[in-house]
Amino acid sequence: EPEVTQTPSHQVTQMGQEVILRCVPISNHLYFYWYRQILGQKVEFLVSFYNNEISEKSEIFDDQFSVERPDGSNFTLKIRSTKLEDSAMYFCASRATPGVNNEQFFGPGTRLTVL
Amino acid sequence: SQQGEEDPQALSIQEGENATMNCSYKTSINNLQWYRQNSGRGLVHLILIRSNEREKHSGRLRVTLDTSKKSSSLLITASRAADTASYFCATARGDSSYKLIFGNGTRLLVRP
Repeated sequence: EPEVTQTPSHQVTQMGQEVILRCVPISNHLYFYWYRQILGQKVEFLVSFYNNEISEKSEIFDDQFSVERPDGSNFTLKIRSTKLEDSAMYFCASRATPGVNNEQFFGPGTRLTVL
Repeated sequence: SQQGEEDPQALSIQEGENATMNCSYKTSINNLQWYRQNSGRGLVHLILIRSNEREKHSGRLRVTLDTSKKSSSLLITASRAADTASYFCATARGDSSYKLIFGNGTRLLVRP
């Protein structure tokens, strides 16, 4: 069964460093998302991406964040200068088609720890 | 405003019992989805119910949706220790990105 994959599973970085989290969505999917979950809290939407551009972003997704689809398969989230409060689990998700009534498939997540 | 508030926050039951979790939301939705998350792991999609549906079944799962009350419930019948996890509801509206708005989740413990 096709699945969303994410690498690395765990990233440890120093405050102020740049990190890139990688995702490979399901191959025929068109919509891509990043969410994050701070430990013990709920999952929060960060950004959605469609047709090679951001379709929506949340207040959390400030200038420190960027997303890219550098080739036909990868979808990346970059945090330019990490802060302690960026420590969280980051989930990538993808969805197949336009139309609201279909499910988003989530990857296993990348646990980011900022020291 | 909060969207997708589950209750209870935590639920502890004996194996074999049924578990019911509730979710309330504030705005109009196109569908509501339930996800399971084992501790520190990824999100597993359980079931999607559309706004024009009232009830849906999948195996031991039963989901109801009451759009007039803006609420949904997830029932797990004949629970097993392996059902121990956090359960989240997530709502999707008809906006441009079809993003999901998650609730705070219910932590379910099924005691063997």
